[in-house]
Amino acid sequence: NAGVTQTPKFQVLKTGQSMTLQCAQDMNHNSMYWYRQDPGMGLRLIYYSASEGTTDKGEVPNGYNVSRLNKREFSLRLESAAPSQTSVYFCASSETLGASYNSPLHFGNGTRLTVT
Amino acid sequence: SQKIEQNSEALNIQEGKTATLTCNYTNYSPAYLQWYRQDPGRGPVFLLLIRENEKEKRKERLKVTFDTTLKQSLFHITASQPADSATYLCAHPRGSGGGADGLTFGKGTHLIIQP
Repeated sequence: NAGVTQTPKFQVLKTGQSMTLQCAQDMNHNSMYWYRQDPGMGLRLIYYSASEGTTDKGEVPNGYNVSRLNKREFSLRLESAAPSQTSVYFCASSETLGASYNSPLHFGNGTRLTVT
Repeated sequence: SQKIEQNSEALNIQEGKTATLTCNYTNYSPAYLQWYRQDPGRGPVFLLLIRENEKEKRKERLKVTFDTTLKQSLFHITASQPADSATYLCAHPRGSGGGADGLTFGKGTHLIIQP
């Protein structure tokens, strides 16, 4: 039981390059999320998928796209990377479906992305 | 907009003492608050959830309180140990959907337990 798995763990990109961050969960969770974490800013929500087949913008969606490939997998794509996207990216999942009061987030260990 | 404030400065506590961390929220009345622990190079790990109708919640050496009048939650670690050193994050639902649209997090408090 691996929980939430993110790949790659580290990545260096040049400005303008594209890449996809992969995330998979094996807990049969309905909801999945992408956050970025920057020093002094805390965790900020980029996009989320409340259930399979739906995706929605979070607080900081500009420059990103997402795909909920199936119930297990939720990918984050940077089409044209910028230095401002240098960050640590975390994927998370939860059982949440509607107004659940027992829906903690389960996080992966992150992808550390540097854009030069 | 919703905002969660945590003391972002490091909190130094002597081993064996009780560590108390503060989480204040504004412009919102969340149905619950959650607390997470984050170690360097790792993702946050869920610790406790407390609902708006609960005053206090305990789990082993951890205790969380929720004061809806003060818009504040306190997180206590009793008999603290160096292994408790980490960053602790407070979070609440972004909207009225109970968390389906994600959680809003505070910036976290870095706790250091000194032997």
